Amino acid sequence: GIQVEQSPPDLILQEGANSTLRCNFSDSVNNLQWFHQNPWGQLINLFYIPSGTKQNGRLSATTVATERYSLLYISSSQTTDSGVYFCAVGVSGGYQKVTFGTGTKLQVIP
Amino acid sequence: DGGITQSPKYLFRKEGQNVTLSCEQNLNHDAMYWYRQDPGQGLRLIYYSQIVNDFQKGDIAEGYSVSREKKESFPLTVTSAQKNPTAFYLCASSRQGLNTGELFFGEGSRLTVL
Repeated sequence: GIQVEQSPPDLILQEGANSTLRCNFSDSVNNLQWFHQNPWGQLINLFYIPSGTKQNGRLSATTVATERYSLLYISSSQTTDSGVYFCAVGVSGGYQKVTFGTGTKLQVIP
Repeated sequence: DGGITQSPKYLFRKEGQNVTLSCEQNLNHDAMYWYRQDPGQGLRLIYYSQIVNDFQKGDIAEGYSVSREKKESFPLTVTSAQKNPTAFYLCASSRQGLNTGELFFGEGSRLTVL
């Protein structure tokens, strides 16, 4: 099956700093999502981005499908950004099967 | 508001007992999914269903069972055959179709087997 790797696995930032999270995948995909898992475990949808670039406030994402990677940018980080960020890719083969990456654990310190 | 409701949020059970986790959605989505998450790990697919009365095994289906009798509901039973049932269980749904695989999640159910 498809492999999804995220880097870095862990990241500690000072509040106000910027960061880039990366998601590499091993095969062609139909869709890609970024999620933020908060301390209570809930997965929050950040972006649905099979290709191109999107921005939402301090967050933006870029997917280059032909090169099999996606980037999540966090600018002016806040303590509420702490948590785990997951990339998930969808492959169609008569159905939509979604595979999750290994996650990046982000800690933003005041 | 539309969304996905999982219950219970926390559940304690003795070893050897079957437990059923509820998942209900009012998003009118065709596809529903169950994922398992262990501490510090990513999500692994247990079962998924594209339409009513149809479901397929995911990557870690052993020891679990599901049903899909209604579009809105996709309950998961953790059976006594599951060797390590203590985990965080997440239900998700998505619209059907090739490019409509955007997943939406419930708040999760945390199962602890004593």
